[in-house]
This record gives sequence, C-alpha cells and structure tokens, in this order.
Amino acid sequence: TQLLEQSPQFLSIQEGENLTVYCNSSSVFSSLQWYRQEPGEGPVLLVTVVTGGEVKKLKRLTFQFGDARKDSSLHITAAQPGDTGLYLCAGERRLWLDNTDKLIFGTGTRLQVFP
Amino acid sequence: EAGVVQSPRYKIIEKKQPVAFWCNPISGHNTLYWYLQNLGQGPELLIRYENEEAVDDSQLPKDRFSAERLKGVDSTLKIQPAELGDSAVYLCASSFKGSGSYEQYFGPGTRLTVT
Repeated sequence: TQLLEQSPQFLSIQEGENLTVYCNSSSVFSSLQWYRQEPGEGPVLLVTVVTGGEVKKLKRLTFQFGDARKDSSLHITAAQPGDTGLYLCAGERRLWLDNTDKLIFGTGTRLQVFP
Repeated sequence: EAGVVQSPRYKIIEKKQPVAFWCNPISGHNTLYWYLQNLGQGPELLIRYENEEAVDDSQLPKDRFSAERLKGVDSTLKIQPAELGDSAVYLCASSFKGSGSYEQYFGPGTRLTVT
C-alpha cells in the first residue's frame, strides 16, 4: 500500500518549460525528502524539508512542504534535458522508541525533458 | 569516499533457482536497508538492520527471502526459490544513525530478471 501518491505519473515536456510535481498523503510525516533517480542508478537525495510550510530552493528547483506536513510539491523552472529522471518523494516516519526512521516512498514521477 | 557497493549489477535466472545479492554500505554507516523497486515505482522496504540486528523485517516475504548482516557491515539478501514476480531492482541503502540526519545513501541496485 502506497501512502504517498505522486502526480503526474509521467511528464514529457520541452526544454524551457516549467513543471510541478505533487506528493500527497493523508498521513503526517516528520520530514519529506525528494530524490531523483536516473536509469541504472539508485535514488539520490535532492532536499529534505522538515517544517510545515517550509520552502527550499536548489537552483531551478523549488520544494515546498505543506502546512500540515502531509503533502509536498516540487517545481522546476525552465526545465533542461539534464533534469530527466524519476522523481521520488519520501515521507519520514520517526520511530521515537528506538530513535530510528522509516522512509515511505511515493509512487514516482517520470520526467522526460526534450531538447 | 566510496558509496554503497552492490553486486552483481544484473542477474538473470530461471524460476525456482536461488539467487543472492551482496551489499557493502558506506564505511561507518550502522543502518543498512534492502529495498525492492518495481519499474517506474518507488522503492519498498524489505528489511532494515541496525548494526547486525534486523529491526524491521515486517515486509520481507520470509517463506522465500532471507537476509543476513553477520558482522554488522556488509549484507546479503537471498531468494530461494525465485518466482517470476520477483523480477525487479533490489536496492541497498545505508545511513548513519548518530549524525542527526536521516539521509539514506543508495547503491546502484541489482536488476533481477526471472524467466
């Protein structure tokens, strides 16, 4: 059961366009992480947002954590072919009893940017 | 610093055969994870180790899957016997519990094809 739903599932755009990927859940998370995964490689962490309403920018990428810490969005400005990949959100459930964490990954958004 | 190392990168076997995957985490990382990832989807946790102890194996199909991390460093994941539905990418990740950050570092994965 995927607790984190991402939309859209697929996105194919031209270089220079803007796009937004959404990550939604009915559950509250301690933090929300965004990963990018390229073919044949493992996911690589892009950013972690912790506070409800938090906005972080990474060059052309803007990440926002929902006020209630149940959802997040990733906005890419002026997409480039190098942005192509599978984007994954992951919600962190902090397990206070043993000070560890559990990451629950979203369903993924496959982005293709054409030159 | 070397990242998470996995081998083999690819494996093709016939159904009912056994298969094993190996993972060497980043040096000093006490937490190790095995994930299963189906094509275009997010990773799903199979098992998590804290040092040599399996602290979360609730999603591991124990009738055919087993894992070990005997010395608290590298780990193996085994499937016996493999089924057609086991075809997927098996990802290993590691993290350092004491850093205050819960970032997981992923290996490149082992792509398993069961025919």
